This record gives sequence, C-alpha cells and structure tokens, in this order.
Amino acid sequence: AQTVTQSQPEMSVQEAETVTLSCTYDTSENNYYLFWYKQPPSRQMILVIRQEAYKQQNATENRFSVNFQKAAKSFSLKISDSQLGDTAMYFCAFRGQGAQKLVFGQGTRLTINP
Amino acid sequence: DTGVSQDPRHKITKRGQNVTFRCDPISEHNRLYWYRQTLGQGPEFLTYFQNEAQLEKSRLLSDRFSAERPKGSFSTLEIQRTEQGDSAMYLCASSRLTSLTDTQYFGPGTRLTVL
Repeated sequence: AQTVTQSQPEMSVQEAETVTLSCTYDTSENNYYLFWYKQPPSRQMILVIRQEAYKQQNATENRFSVNFQKAAKSFSLKISDSQLGDTAMYFCAFRGQGAQKLVFGQGTRLTINP
Repeated sequence: DTGVSQDPRHKITKRGQNVTFRCDPISEHNRLYWYRQTLGQGPEFLTYFQNEAQLEKSRLLSDRFSAERPKGSFSTLEIQRTEQGDSAMYLCASSRLTSLTDTQYFGPGTRLTVL
C-alpha cells in the first residue's frame, strides 16, 4: 500500500520569507499523481499544486513550486514571498494512476508571522 | 459555478443515535468521494462513486456506515449506532472523469461530535 510521510508537523516563518515543506512517499508504481492541498483554519481544503509523475518538469503555480525527485520519491513544496494568508495546514497527497482515492500525509501546520 | 457543498456543517449526537450527512458535488462532476479526518491527521478515504455506482469502499467503512448516490448527483453518508470513535470531520470531494488528473475538489466538511 502506498504511504505518504510529512516529517515536519509544524513550521513557522516570517512574512515574505521562502519556506519549503517536505513530503516523501512510497510506491511501486511508475505512473501516479502528486498533490499539495492547503486547509486554512476552519475552512475547506483547496488544491495548491499538482504534479504528474511522467512529467520531468516541476510544476509551478505563481508563488508555489514543487521539487519532484522521482527516484528519491520526494515531493517538496516551496512557497516564495510567503503571505499571512498562507497560514494553514498543508497536506501532501498521492494517487496511483489506476486508483481513485487520495492517500494523504499527516500534514504540516504552517504559520506565517507578520 | 458553485463548489462542493455539505450539510449539516456541524452535528452533535448522542452515542447510539443514527446520523445522515449530505453532499452536493460540483455540477457535472461524475465522481464523488467521502473521506474522514480526525483532529491533527490527514483525511482517510472511505468510499467513492462513479455516477450512481459505489465502486470502492475502504476497510474503515464498517457495517454501521452506508453511503448512497441514488441518482448520480448528491450523496448521503449514514452512520448507524454512532460511537464516540466516530467523532471526526467527514469530507466530501468530487471530480470530473474526463479530467486527465482527475483532481478532487473538497467541500467544507461535516464535523460530527458523538457524546
């Protein structure tokens, strides 16, 4: 079974700094999808960024980018120029190509301080 | 275009009672998912539907849990004889089959507290 591990339970940075959240996963599949979701306090989960494993190029969405290392099974999220609104729980998630369910990590609580 | 909606947002019940939650997916999304999230943890998959067919159920979905999606639109999740261990946030998500990545969009959740 696939597993997703986020080794940083909590992180805290100052506004405008860059922060990197770590995620590793375990799978025997070659094709799959990886996601980062953001869950602000008392608000619903929203998709931040996604990566297809067959694409070598790292995904980027404005201030958010990933460092996808397929051989190392690592999928980290970098947030540049962090903003107060980035404060949230961040979840890394895996989906196998033939599967429908998402497998989530335990989450990283990110706090952006003014 | 409205997002995924869930009702109720909060439910407090006594142990042994039955509860039912509703999820309305994004229109034209033919896949619908239920997840459970306990405090401080990531969501765990419970079950999913493609149109009205329930295609996969997790081992977490005990006999006391039942989910339906009778017309391929909204879905209900019922928990019978609730236990304190059922206290959690129940999340619904939907996706479109034709999307290459089949990205799932989540609703706000129903927070269940079993006393």
